[in-house]
Amino acid sequence: EAAVTQSPRNKVTVTGGNVTLSCRQTNSHNYMYWYRQDTGHGLRLIHYSYGAGNLQIGDVPDGYKATRTTQEDFFLLLELASPSQTSLYFCASSGPGTRGEQYFGPGTRLTVL
Amino acid sequence: GEQVEQRPPHLSVREGDSAFITCTYTDPNSYYFFWYKQEPGASLQLLMKVFSSTEINEGQGFTVLLNKKDKRLSLNLTAAHPGDSAAYFCAVSLSSNTDKVVFGTGTRLQVSP
Repeated sequence: EAAVTQSPRNKVTVTGGNVTLSCRQTNSHNYMYWYRQDTGHGLRLIHYSYGAGNLQIGDVPDGYKATRTTQEDFFLLLELASPSQTSLYFCASSGPGTRGEQYFGPGTRLTVL
Repeated sequence: GEQVEQRPPHLSVREGDSAFITCTYTDPNSYYFFWYKQEPGASLQLLMKVFSSTEINEGQGFTVLLNKKDKRLSLNLTAAHPGDSAAYFCAVSLSSNTDKVVFGTGTRLQVSP
């Protein structure tokens, strides 16, 4: 069974819309990450977390909020979506002993019209 | 901070040929190195991870080379086949900060019959 799941898998919204992307991991990992993937840029880190209640700013945080409610659940919030946030979003987890290896979810394709 | 440059962005080879992808990184303290494979429409899967104490790692149909002096990580797919068609990403993490990795921009490989 998939250890990192994301929902929804596809989302279409309009400019100014409010979007929440969800991620759940059952790896018992303490680190969780949100990335966006765009052609020519690879994966860029938006936010990450060490554990419930913790939030760390990534490399491209503008326009995004995140919240880690439990060890398993990490949410990405776009409160005023813009077309520039149209992208493929991946959640990942890692933990002690993985030595940086990250386990990825299936991705969420977000389109902002 | 760490910067990772990956080349080439696109690569087309014929079945049976070799495919060579290279990443260069900047931080000499980098310690953990990863190659991920992303098949079309799918998520990222770990292909191989190497540590700075090793220089050559062989997998099924590929070899990973680490040149610490030149700060270069390479992936060589020997005798590529159409099933190898995918995007490949390198990733680098620091020994002191294994919770965060920096990804290369990716190489889209096409293997034609």
